[in-house]
Amino acid sequence: EVQLVESGGGLVQPGGSLRLSCAASGFSLSTYWMSWVRQAPGKGLEWVANIKQDGSEKYYVDSVKGRFTISRDNAKNSLYLEMNSLRAEDTAVYYCARVGGGWRSFDYWGQGTLVTVSS
Amino acid sequence: DIQLTQSPSFLSASVGDRVTITCRASQGVSSYLAWYQQKPGKAPNLLIYAASTLQSGVPSRFSGSGSGTEFTLTVSSLQPEDFATYYCQQLNSYPLTFGGGTKVEIK
Repeated sequence: EVQLVESGGGLVQPGGSLRLSCAASGFSLSTYWMSWVRQAPGKGLEWVANIKQDGSEKYYVDSVKGRFTISRDNAKNSLYLEMNSLRAEDTAVYYCARVGGGWRSFDYWGQGTLVTVSS
Repeated sequence: DIQLTQSPSFLSASVGDRVTITCRASQGVSSYLAWYQQKPGKAPNLLIYAASTLQSGVPSRFSGSGSGTEFTLTVSSLQPEDFATYYCQQLNSYPLTFGGGTKVEIK
């Protein structure tokens, strides 16, 4: 059974940093692109970042470029999101998701982890 | 950036109703369009990918159609468990984008 489990969320002050993790099981992480998606309270979904199977390609939404870094450790079956210079508008539930074969969807999602940026 | 506009943003319907949600893209996305269902406090769940392919395990009352810039999600006979928010997503080009969502509530 495919499972994605996020961790690392919490309360952080503006300007602070946080590292999110996503533990993958039930499939070979090394064969899939992976993504982070966020959802601010009461708002819609926003794609944040993608990473290729071997980590050689990374893409970000403009609002996080230069502040967030997506990475992966296929040997540990883990995906990460390093978040620096956090702002109030980064407050959201962060989901990791698997990009399905054929680049046609995000076919599996984790349960999400809440990041709150507030003083 | 490709903008996805969903309509309506809110829909009130009864059990058994046929419901159609539209997603319009500001540029062509070929068939790189997916639909998700999200219930409160839960992660999104994939319903349709490649514009019209039903994800395994999803009831056949859900269907998708369209290509290019106009897409629809149809629920042929709304069931109590279908009351949720629905999102479209394009995977044609970066940045990947989602529609604003359509909330389906009980009339």
